[in-house]
This record gives sequence, C-alpha cells and structure tokens, in this order.
Amino acid sequence: KAGVTQTPRYLIKTRGQQVTLSCSPISGHRSVSWYQQTPGQGLQFLFEYFSETQRNKGNFPGRFSGRQFSNSRSEMNVSTLELGDSALYLCASSLSASSYNEQFFGPGTRLTVL
Amino acid sequence: AQTVTQSQPEMSVQEAETVTLSCTYDTSESNYYLFWYKQPPSRQMILVIRQEAYKQQNATENRFSVNFQKAAKSFSLKISDSQLGDTAMYFCAFMRAYGGSQGNLIFGKGTKLSVKP
Repeated sequence: KAGVTQTPRYLIKTRGQQVTLSCSPISGHRSVSWYQQTPGQGLQFLFEYFSETQRNKGNFPGRFSGRQFSNSRSEMNVSTLELGDSALYLCASSLSASSYNEQFFGPGTRLTVL
Repeated sequence: AQTVTQSQPEMSVQEAETVTLSCTYDTSESNYYLFWYKQPPSRQMILVIRQEAYKQQNATENRFSVNFQKAAKSFSLKISDSQLGDTAMYFCAFMRAYGGSQGNLIFGKGTKLSVKP
C-alpha cells in the first residue's frame, strides 16, 4: 500500500506570494492533519480534516487555510507569505479521527520564502 | 494547555549499548495517548511506540520500550542494543483521548540521537 505523498517536495516563493501544498493520504484513510516544522518552534499543529470537515485548528493566523476533498486528499494554502513561513510542512493521515489510530506521516514539503 | 518537554537536545550512544531518552509532559487530562516518533535524516517521521495512559503496563516494541510514570508525568524511551539505523531525531508527543483534539499531536522539541560505531 502506498504511503502518504506530498507534492511538491520543495518550493521556493517570495514574500507576499501565496502557495498551495497537496497531501494524498494512504488509501482508506479519512483523516488528514497538517504540521509545520521549524528549527525554532519545532513541530506545531496546523489543522486536521476528517470527511471534508475541519475538526481542529492550531494557533496559526488566518493566512493559513486548508481543505479536504471527497477522496480524502487535502490541500493547505498560505497566503501573503512571510519569511517566517519558511518551514517543512508535514502531512499525516490516519484511518479515522480517533486518537487510537496511528498517524502516518508524509515526507513533507520544504517551503523556502525569500 | 498541554506541554511536552524533552530536556536532552542531543545524545550519543555506542552501537549495541542502551540509551534512554527523557520526556515529561503536563496535562490535566486523565486519559490520553503518548507517542515516540523517529525522524531519520531523510525526514520521514515514523511511529516508534505508543502508550495509552489508562494502561499501567509499559509498552514495548522489540528493542524499544518505555517507562511510563503517570503520576510523575514522565514518559522515557529506552533503546536497547542500539543500531546505526537508530540515528535520528526522536520526538515525544501527546494526544488527548477524546474531545475535539484527536488529530492534534503536541510534540516536544526533540532529541537528536547519534549512534556511533
């Protein structure tokens, strides 16, 4: 079974632009969570989607948004990019929204904002 | 709010020896899950071991075991017979068992483990 895939793997943008990252969960998984990883702040939860609904949101500004499609694929969007948005963005999928289910992580998208 | 603290930014161990990584957490919840994740230099995060707070028995997975002390809010990871492939960042993480935060893993800052030949 294929793992979690994220596209693109690397991205370079300039301040003020917007960006869309994509995550395809493991087949059959319906829950997708997004995390931001930076050297300074570590791993921080962005949001979680289940059955096309955002169930949970972390403490990030409104410039960060996401959605989930009927096939469970998810996208996250960052508008008006800032230098501090440079990070590794990780997506994780799980069977359902239950805490018991293991979250499987993708390889991440490395975003660099110049 | 829940917090997770890993007090050892970096550790090293000789191949075949045993190493213990520390993790403490703070929560007012009575039921929750604790995890250790491994992130090798290739960056793909994988789950090493999971502990359910209502289970007193410490979880084990082959060479990996935990020492879960609920009252002390401590959750350490022991790696036995360390192998070169264990070289990675190790993250301790917390998740509430119910409520609206199931998808929300709260991570510690991580411990960089180097296994030396």
